[in-house]
Amino acid sequence: AQSVTQLGSHVSVSEGALVLLRCNYSSSVPPYLFWYVQYPNQGLQLLLKYTTGATLVKGINGFEAEFKKSETSFHLTKPSAHMSDAAEYFCAVSDAGNMLTFGGGTRLMVKP
Amino acid sequence: KAGVTQTPRYLIKTRGQQVTLSCSPISGHRSVSWYQQTPGQGLQFLFEYFSETQRNKGNFPGRFSGRQFSNSRSEMNVSTLELGDSALYLCASSSWRVGETQYFGPGTRLLVL
Repeated sequence: AQSVTQLGSHVSVSEGALVLLRCNYSSSVPPYLFWYVQYPNQGLQLLLKYTTGATLVKGINGFEAEFKKSETSFHLTKPSAHMSDAAEYFCAVSDAGNMLTFGGGTRLMVKP
Repeated sequence: KAGVTQTPRYLIKTRGQQVTLSCSPISGHRSVSWYQQTPGQGLQFLFEYFSETQRNKGNFPGRFSGRQFSNSRSEMNVSTLELGDSALYLCASSSWRVGETQYFGPGTRLLVL
């Protein structure tokens, strides 16, 4: 069975600071990995995904993530936080099917 | 392209009632998945439908069921509602390929009193 662990349910950064949201997964097969963002009272919006190929994945709004197989990690980063980045972020994995297994989520707060 | 639409957006029911939620996928998408989101359990997979057939199922009781129509629209039904069924129910659609991105709708927020 797959599992996803997001370290830190709440992360607070200052505007302009580096954003680092951590995600570790367990999967018995090469996974498909995703990061989604959820704003209040909305559904999930895809930030980026890893399927195969380049291990550094660039997404929308300046976010990127690096797939590290040896560490089973897929951490999300952004060089400079903006107030509009305040939201909840979910890491997810799927394997041979289309079922997504989500981490518990990390709520990002951005201080002015 | 229009996104995934879900109706209704908000719903209030009482214990013991049943409810039906609807999801219209992105045009051309044939896979529809349903997820339940609660503060305690987070995001959990309910089931996936593809070409009118349930292809995957999560670990939920039989009170939760779904179906998909020939136009790929999907409905999920919850019978004999319990207080714990209060949640945001999210629908996602994708193409038939495994690993393709799932695009989520805005969700239906269900409150069971």
